[in-house]
Amino acid sequence: DTGVSQDPRHKITKRGQNVTFRCDPISEHNRLYWYRQTLGQGPEFLTYFQNEAQLEKSRLLSDRFSAERPKGSFSTLEIQRTEQGDSAMYLCASRPPRTSGSPHNEQFFGPGTRLTVL
Amino acid sequence: AQSVTQPDIHITVSEGASLELRCNYSYGATPYLFWYVQSPGQGLQLLLKYFSGDTLVQGIKGFEAEFKRSQSSFNLRKPSVHWSDAAEYFCAVALLQAGTALIFGKGTTLSVSS
Repeated sequence: DTGVSQDPRHKITKRGQNVTFRCDPISEHNRLYWYRQTLGQGPEFLTYFQNEAQLEKSRLLSDRFSAERPKGSFSTLEIQRTEQGDSAMYLCASRPPRTSGSPHNEQFFGPGTRLTVL
Repeated sequence: AQSVTQPDIHITVSEGASLELRCNYSYGATPYLFWYVQSPGQGLQLLLKYFSGDTLVQGIKGFEAEFKRSQSSFNLRKPSVHWSDAAEYFCAVALLQAGTALIFGKGTTLSVSS
């Protein structure tokens, strides 16, 4: 399977614990995005990387959240001191380099990591 | 601020009947528009996209959507719904100023009755 993969698919943790999620994008996709989706809502943008550089962070990304993409391939999203409000589906998406023939390529989404904070 | 509105939270359609899911956007310029589908336990799959040109776009699985600038709408249609189309559908707009991150509507859940 050459799609976007995420690990783990499900994570249950207690409030106050730290959690880390991993995303492996489609090979050669230089842009990687993290979104959060809560029940009854559409996905909300958290942050994105172009290669290894984190170029944008939304206001949703509090100080307890940190994301990395150290070698421009896989990415990790860490949440420190989890709160019950962090319970959500965390989605990763990747996008190929922009080309003249397709100025705005679509984003390809992974299956998500569902986080439950007790 | 840019936003996407999907007025219908839940729609039920009989199998074989036609379908239209509504999407309205608020944006300062002509946006890039997308429809995604999400089945339980699955990631988001792109159905179709509009960037420019012909305002009627064809997508996968027999879906189409029409961009109407005057109404700021991008409604999704299918002439004959199949039971396998039951899923959640999201309309999205590209936010160009933020690295082309997507802004999603809240989604419409489609149920298909036999």
